[in-house]
Amino acid sequence: EVQLVESGGGLVHPGGSLRLSCVVSESTLRNHWMSWVRQAPGKGPEWVANIKEDGSEKYYVDSAKGRFIVSRDNAKNSLYLQMNSLRAEDTAVYYCVSGGSWFGYWGQGTLVTVSS
Amino acid sequence: EIVLTQSPGTLSLSPGERATLSCRASQSVSSSSLAWYQQKPGQAPRLLISGASSRATGIPDRFSGSGSGTDFTLTISRLEPEDFAVYYCQQYGSLPRTFGQGTKVEIK
Repeated sequence: EVQLVESGGGLVHPGGSLRLSCVVSESTLRNHWMSWVRQAPGKGPEWVANIKEDGSEKYYVDSAKGRFIVSRDNAKNSLYLQMNSLRAEDTAVYYCVSGGSWFGYWGQGTLVTVSS
Repeated sequence: EIVLTQSPGTLSLSPGERATLSCRASQSVSSSSLAWYQQKPGQAPRLLISGASSRATGIPDRFSGSGSGTDFTLTISRLEPEDFAVYYCQQYGSLPRTFGQGTKVEIK
């Protein structure tokens, strides 16, 4: 069974930074696009960013452009999200997901809380 | 950006009944690039349908998807107790990928 395990969430002050990590159990996912999707409390999911298999293409939701950076290390079966200049509205559970179009496998999520 | 509007917001039904959920897009979704997800409290969403009508691996055949262009439907033919949850549609025909706000299917 494919497993995606996120880590790195926590409480951060507005303007602060955080780096999320995701380890994928299935090495074949290195041949797939990967994405980050977040879900604010009581809200629907929101796609944040995706990255091509080899990392050569990356796309972001407008609210993340210039602040977030998605990256991957296929040798380590890992996906990352560097989040800078965090705002209160970035508070959400962040999910690591397989795919760049539809999202077949999801991690359990890691909670990011931006608050003073 | 394509905005997805789901209706109704809440659907109150009994086990064994048929559920019909709607997802309307603000502009045409190319190549029927629409997916449906189920989410239960405290869990991550689960993929049910992609390509508007193709069930994901392991999804029971009581779940079916249809539609094209701007109007899509998820149908649950006979509700089982485990089907009471929130359902989201998501388009992937263009960037940014967007989700609807969800339909809650609750026990009547």
